[in-house]
Amino acid sequence: QQQVKQSPQSLIVQKGGIPIINCAYENTAFDYFPWYQQFPGKGPALLIAIRPDVSEKKEGRFTISFNKSAKQFSLHIMDSQPGDSATYFCAASSGAAGNKLTFGGGTRVLVKP
Amino acid sequence: DAGVTQSPTHLIKTRGQQVTLRCSPKSGHDTVSWYQQALGQGPQFIFQYYEEEERQRGNFPDRFSGHQYPNYSSELNVNALLLGDSALYLCASSWDRTTDTQYFGPGTRLTVL
Repeated sequence: QQQVKQSPQSLIVQKGGIPIINCAYENTAFDYFPWYQQFPGKGPALLIAIRPDVSEKKEGRFTISFNKSAKQFSLHIMDSQPGDSATYFCAASSGAAGNKLTFGGGTRVLVKP
Repeated sequence: DAGVTQSPTHLIKTRGQQVTLRCSPKSGHDTVSWYQQALGQGPQFIFQYYEEEERQRGNFPDRFSGHQYPNYSSELNVNALLLGDSALYLCASSWDRTTDTQYFGPGTRLTVL
């Protein structure tokens, strides 16, 4: 019940395309859903996060869509650039459980010039 | 304002040895969490420290232990190292009272031979 399932494992798009990464969860106690970006040899960096009381959130070129009834959420990267090539992780946590993050398995995104 | 810092950057140990990894949280952050990230996988929660006490623990054996100091810095200790302990060890800090956003350090790459 603690798992967060992420798909696809990898994604290749052309510059300007819109990579879409999907995540699904089971634990209905989760109330915070962040996305992290990780470059090789670096720690994960917070991109954007959402709570279940909203269905969409945009920050710059990054958009989270959230479907509470389906227990799914996704990340869209608008107008993708080669510099967006990285591994992206979705995660979920519950304030009632002390905010430990449960991560998805990651999606390696390659944006071709 | 310094972010989360970790030391050392890289470490090579042999099976059976013990290792200590160190983390200094982001300024003003009083909660430190440790994660293990195996190659090609998402980070896995090890434990969390707040007010110098272990507040939560993930599914890791007792060989993994930690400590938090009054200045909020933290250590992760791993005893009797196994080959499977080879991973990137990540420290994340957060300000417990107002946000569950966790900021990650660059990690310590541990290789067990």
